[in-house]
Amino acid sequence: DQQVKQNSPSLSVQEGRISILNCDYTNSMFDYFLWYKKYPAEGPTFLISISSIKDKNEDGRFTVFLNKSAKHLSLHIVPSQPGDSAVYFCAASNYNQGGKLIFGQGTELSVKP
Amino acid sequence: EPEVTQTPSHQVTQMGQEVILRCVPISNHLYFYWYRQILGQKVEFLVSFYNNEISEKSEIFDDQFSVERPDGSNFTLKIRSTKLEDSAMYFCASSDGLGRAEKLFFGSGTQLSVL
Repeated sequence: DQQVKQNSPSLSVQEGRISILNCDYTNSMFDYFLWYKKYPAEGPTFLISISSIKDKNEDGRFTVFLNKSAKHLSLHIVPSQPGDSAVYFCAASNYNQGGKLIFGQGTELSVKP
Repeated sequence: EPEVTQTPSHQVTQMGQEVILRCVPISNHLYFYWYRQILGQKVEFLVSFYNNEISEKSEIFDDQFSVERPDGSNFTLKIRSTKLEDSAMYFCASSDGLGRAEKLFFGSGTQLSVL
C-alpha cells in the first residue's frame, strides 16, 4: 500500500534553519491531511493538519503546504529547534472514512545544535 | 492534559495464545481506534469503533481480532490465537471529532512480542 509516501527516511538540519519534510500521495479521494510527530517509546502526536480546500495552514513555527495538482504536501519548520528531532509522519484521510488514517513511512528529523 | 493510556507497555506471549491489549481513551471521546506498527514498517489502521460497534476495519483485522468496550472507560483489542507476524507495536487512539479525520490522540502503545 503506497498511497502515502515519504521518500526521505531521514533529514538533518542545523538549529535555526528551515526543515522541509515532504509527502506524496496517490489517492485523489483523500481530502484531509495531517502531520504527526513521534518520539521513541511514545505514540504519534498530532502536529498540524490541512483540508483539501486549502493550500496552506500555519501554526506557529509549523506550516503545511498542499499542492493538490501535484498530490504533494510539505511541512516547514522555521526555525528548527533541537527539540524538534523526532520521526514525522504524514497521514491522509477521506472525509467519509473518519479516523482511518493512511500513514507514510515517516521521516526522521535530526536538528543539530 | 488528558491522554490515552495503554496497558501493558510490553506483552510477550507464545504463538497460539490469546492476548488482550487494554486502552483507556480520553474520557469525553466517542471514537476509538486501534493501529499497529510492525518494526520498520508504516503505522497501519486496524479498526475504528463508535457507538459500541465497529465502524470500519482493515484487511488485517480478520476473525482472530476483536474489539470491545466492556465498560464506560476501557477499550480492548483481543487477538484470539497469536501468530508470529502479529508482533508489533499496537497503538490505541481516540477522538471527539465526530468520527471525521480530526486529530487523533494516540496512546504510547503496547509492544507485543509473539514467540
